[in-house]
Amino acid sequence: AQSVTQLGSHVSVSEGALVLLRCNYSSSVPPYLFWYVQYPNQGLQLLLKYTTGATLVKGINGFEAEFKKSETSFHLTKPSAHMSDAAEYFCAVSRYGNNRLAFGKGNQVVVIP
Amino acid sequence: GAVVSQHPSWVICKSGTSVKIECRSLDFQATTMFWYRQFPKQSLMLMATSNEGSKATYEQGVEKDKFLINHASLTLSTLTVTSAHPEDSSFYICSARTSSYNSPLHFGNGTRLTVT
Repeated sequence: AQSVTQLGSHVSVSEGALVLLRCNYSSSVPPYLFWYVQYPNQGLQLLLKYTTGATLVKGINGFEAEFKKSETSFHLTKPSAHMSDAAEYFCAVSRYGNNRLAFGKGNQVVVIP
Repeated sequence: GAVVSQHPSWVICKSGTSVKIECRSLDFQATTMFWYRQFPKQSLMLMATSNEGSKATYEQGVEKDKFLINHASLTLSTLTVTSAHPEDSSFYICSARTSSYNSPLHFGNGTRLTVT
């Protein structure tokens, strides 16, 4: 079975500073990995995903993530935080594409002006 | 882009009554839909997977008779919470995709259910 670990439920970052959200996964097969963003009382929007190929994945809104198999990690970064980045972020893993995703507990990002 | 509409966005019901939540794909054929439940400050827990025209596949620990899922058309799936109790209060989210495992997954905006 797949699982995802996201540490630190709340992450505070100053506007303009680096955003770093950590995600570690476990999977018995090569994983598909995802980062989603959720704004209050809304569904999830896909930020980026890794399937195969290049391990550094670029997504929307300036986010990127790097798949590191040896570390079983898929950390999300953004060089410079913007106020609009305040939201909840979920890392997810699946075995077969967009099918039966397992989500982490999420990180609530607060951006400090 | 593809849109999934979930209705209602919030609902309050009395204990013992049933509530139906609709999930519609507005501009694509949703062969497969997923229903998730999200508790406050927690992650999304997959409840069931439904394929159009077939019975839903429920995750371990999810009561089939309590959470009735119908996916009778390529644009509509419904989740009915039967005989609701306060512990069923939660945020329910649907997602949908076409037939390919690699087709994009589109999420509804969720339904906040409160059972009094």
